[in-house]
Amino acid sequence: SQTIHQWPATLVQPVGSPLSLECTVEGTSNPNLYWYRQAAGRGLQLLFYSVGIGQISSEVPQNLSASRPQDRQFILSSKKLLLSDSGFYLCAWSLGTNTEAFFGQGTRLTVV
Amino acid sequence: GENVEQHPSTLSVQEGDSAVIKCTYSDSASNYFPWYKQELGKGPQLIIDIRSNVGEKKDQRIAVTLNKTAKHFSLHITETQPEDSAVYFCAAMDNFNKFYFGSGTKLNVKP
Repeated sequence: SQTIHQWPATLVQPVGSPLSLECTVEGTSNPNLYWYRQAAGRGLQLLFYSVGIGQISSEVPQNLSASRPQDRQFILSSKKLLLSDSGFYLCAWSLGTNTEAFFGQGTRLTVV
Repeated sequence: GENVEQHPSTLSVQEGDSAVIKCTYSDSASNYFPWYKQELGKGPQLIIDIRSNVGEKKDQRIAVTLNKTAKHFSLHITETQPEDSAVYFCAAMDNFNKFYFGSGTKLNVKP
């Protein structure tokens, strides 16, 4: 069966520090991969979308970047965190058209 | 891009009553509409979905309706139970396979 792993679960980082969140998927090949951010009490904002290795689509200009170095690995990064980067970050995967997205358990990031 | 709006933002019902959450979308090319339930501190989980070739789908106490002409879809939960309390999100998948989510509805079922 397919599983998605996302880590760490919680992270507290100072302003100006770098960020690296990792997401891996097991049990499937060539998934579509997504990064979402959820602000407190808000909906899910699509940040990045990938259909394959090295192929990244950015939804909104911001202080973050994403990379997909392997088929089932998706990484969210920042060189210098801002206070506004705080939130709940969710990775998800799907197999394509008209199929559901499966979410990881999320990373709670607090920038202080 | 796709824009999904969801109402209400909060909904409080008595146990046993029905709950209805409504969503609209903007992109007429969207063809897949999932609904997710999110419990505190966890990732969302799919509870039901509907594709554009059907107008209604039911799974036990949960049903979803879709009106493609009006570009709106709704979630119906009957005989609500306290364990139904959570945040619910609607979503639409565009023709690039990207999911766009509504802003969420916090459902509180009072025992």
